[in-house]
Amino acid sequence: TQLLEQSPQFLSIQEGENLTVYCNSSSVFSSLQWYRQEPGEGPVLLVTVVTGGEVKKLKRLTFQFGDARKDSSLHITAAQPGDTGLYLCAGMETGGFKTIFGAGTRLFVKA
Amino acid sequence: NAGVTQTPKFQVLKTGQSMTLQCAQDMNHNSMYWYRQDPGMGLRLIYYSASEGTTDKGEVPNGYNVSRLNKREFSLRLESAAPSQTSVYFCASSGQGVGVRGYTFGSGTRLTVV
Repeated sequence: TQLLEQSPQFLSIQEGENLTVYCNSSSVFSSLQWYRQEPGEGPVLLVTVVTGGEVKKLKRLTFQFGDARKDSSLHITAAQPGDTGLYLCAGMETGGFKTIFGAGTRLFVKA
Repeated sequence: NAGVTQTPKFQVLKTGQSMTLQCAQDMNHNSMYWYRQDPGMGLRLIYYSASEGTTDKGEVPNGYNVSRLNKREFSLRLESAAPSQTSVYFCASSGQGVGVRGYTFGSGTRLTVV
């Protein structure tokens, strides 16, 4: 069974701090997606990365896909309370249609 | 706003009861999905429909059935609910291939089976 492991599971930081969350697997993915989910709502797509080594920026969020397409990271600069939420990574298996979701990193940013 | 609409938002069932979760999307997406989300386990695929007229099993299909009514609508049915089906259910859709570029999710149905 393919697994996507996210770390850390929980993170509580002060406003203005930087943080990085990780998404790791032993499997190769054709693409990897990051979502943010707020309580009582569905996940919202933040970014999709496709090419090994690819880096995408979304304002204060920087996403990187590993060179071997097995892992990814999300870095947030100067976190804001509005960044609070559950961050999910999801990898699409190579040659198939199945997407594997990680269990998520729950981030809390204190004002 | 355009997106994925799920009903109901909350439901409590007794063991053995049946119910249907409704989902509709207005983005003209070809593919639709049903996921369940349980604490510490991530989202798990129950069933999906790659295009109108087709449905396929996902990772955890037992105890569920689906119907792709038309391009817009994809329903999930629990024929005889069990406590193990207590979960939050999400419907999702995708436009380019099967989830290639990401999914649009509904806001979820929180189901409790007692």
